[in-house]
Amino acid sequence: GAVVSQHPSRVICKSGTSVKIECRSLDFQATTMFWYRQFPKQSLMLMATSNEGSKATYEQGVEKDKFLINHASLTLSTLTVTSAHPEDSSFYICSASQAGEALEQYFGPGTRLTVT
Amino acid sequence: QKEVEQNSGPLSVPEGAIASLNCTYSDRVSQSFFWYRQYSGKSPELIMSIYSNGDKEDGRFTAQLNKASQYVSLLIRDSQPSDSATYLCAVNRLTGFQKLVFGTGTRLLVSP
Repeated sequence: GAVVSQHPSRVICKSGTSVKIECRSLDFQATTMFWYRQFPKQSLMLMATSNEGSKATYEQGVEKDKFLINHASLTLSTLTVTSAHPEDSSFYICSASQAGEALEQYFGPGTRLTVT
Repeated sequence: QKEVEQNSGPLSVPEGAIASLNCTYSDRVSQSFFWYRQYSGKSPELIMSIYSNGDKEDGRFTAQLNKASQYVSLLIRDSQPSDSATYLCAVNRLTGFQKLVFGTGTRLLVSP
């Protein structure tokens, strides 16, 4: 149980375009979903936290207009990187937490974004 | 002081040995503690959670929590080369919006 999927697993896009990443909880309802970014040889950096049906809470320094997060249902959250630039190239990972679970987060497999 | 501190390693152990990974945290009111394993190029995988003082065992893994000393550790018995990965310690943050704070991870290398 507690399986989280992400799509796509890899994406290459040109500078200035937008990219949408989907995160789905496959066998449970995720009341809260988290989006992380990880640069090579660095730890996870939390970008934002989203609860179903409400606006995401962004971490300090993360541009909400650049990283659009939508959590429309209890099984789906999306992250859209708008006007992507090469410095946005990174490993984006979502995680999901079940209702009642004491903050146990289950991670998706991640999306490797390369902006050329 | 970082909220969650781990030795970056690498920690090298021979196959079959016990690997001991340590983590300290600064927020005294933290309640939930987790160990994640992350293979290179992959996303983290939850391997242990612990909420109360003492030991919690799951197969070859034992998590130990000491809230008075603000540390949590992970022991891996009979280490295998497949255990070679980065181990992330995560602690919940009760102040403000609840979320996990991750350490930078300890890289474990198990040699055959």
